[in-house]
Amino acid sequence: GNSVTQMEGPVTLSEEAFLTINCTYTATGYPSLFWNVQYPGEGLQLLLKATKADDKGSNKGFEATYRKETTSFHLEKGSVQVSDSAVYFCALSGGATNKLIFGTGTLLAVQP
Amino acid sequence: DVKVTQSSRYLVKRTGEKVFLECVQDMDHENMFWYRQDPGLGLRLIYFSYDVKMKEKGDIPEGYSVSREKKERFSLILESASTNQTSMYLCASRYSENQPQHFGDGTRLSIL
Repeated sequence: GNSVTQMEGPVTLSEEAFLTINCTYTATGYPSLFWNVQYPGEGLQLLLKATKADDKGSNKGFEATYRKETTSFHLEKGSVQVSDSAVYFCALSGGATNKLIFGTGTLLAVQP
Repeated sequence: DVKVTQSSRYLVKRTGEKVFLECVQDMDHENMFWYRQDPGLGLRLIYFSYDVKMKEKGDIPEGYSVSREKKERFSLILESASTNQTSMYLCASRYSENQPQHFGDGTRLSIL
């Protein structure tokens, strides 16, 4: 079945460091891919999405490219801020299922 | 903007009680979802609904039921609450498959 695997956290970085959070997926068909973010004490928010191969989603300085050949959707940001501290969830939707499949989440802690 | 409203941010109930968690969305979305979020386990799908009066079991439906009498409202019911149902519960909705899900702020439920 469909599944999402993302790197375990926590990831601890200093402000202005480069961020990569890895996400790989297994799916039948052509799923859409999402990154969601959960700030402390809040629900999940959509951060960015990509709906087909080679699409790049971007928002708030974050980017992720839908790579069908490596079944990956890694999240990157060139210079993180303290306010980026949150839990990040990779997810996929579509293919043979109506469900959204989430990874287990990666906690990012950015220190000043 | 889509608004998904969960009736309570925090709730404390006793073992054996019947508990209702309510979720309302204001964008005429077809699909609605209930998840629980636990440390180290990420988001796990309890039930989802793709239309009024329609429901499907997610990955962990045991001990829960749902009701969708109106399109905008999706209720999660704990028939007889137990301590292992202490968790953060998240409701989400989306227009259709391959569209992003919009989340409520979550209900932190404690069963004593």
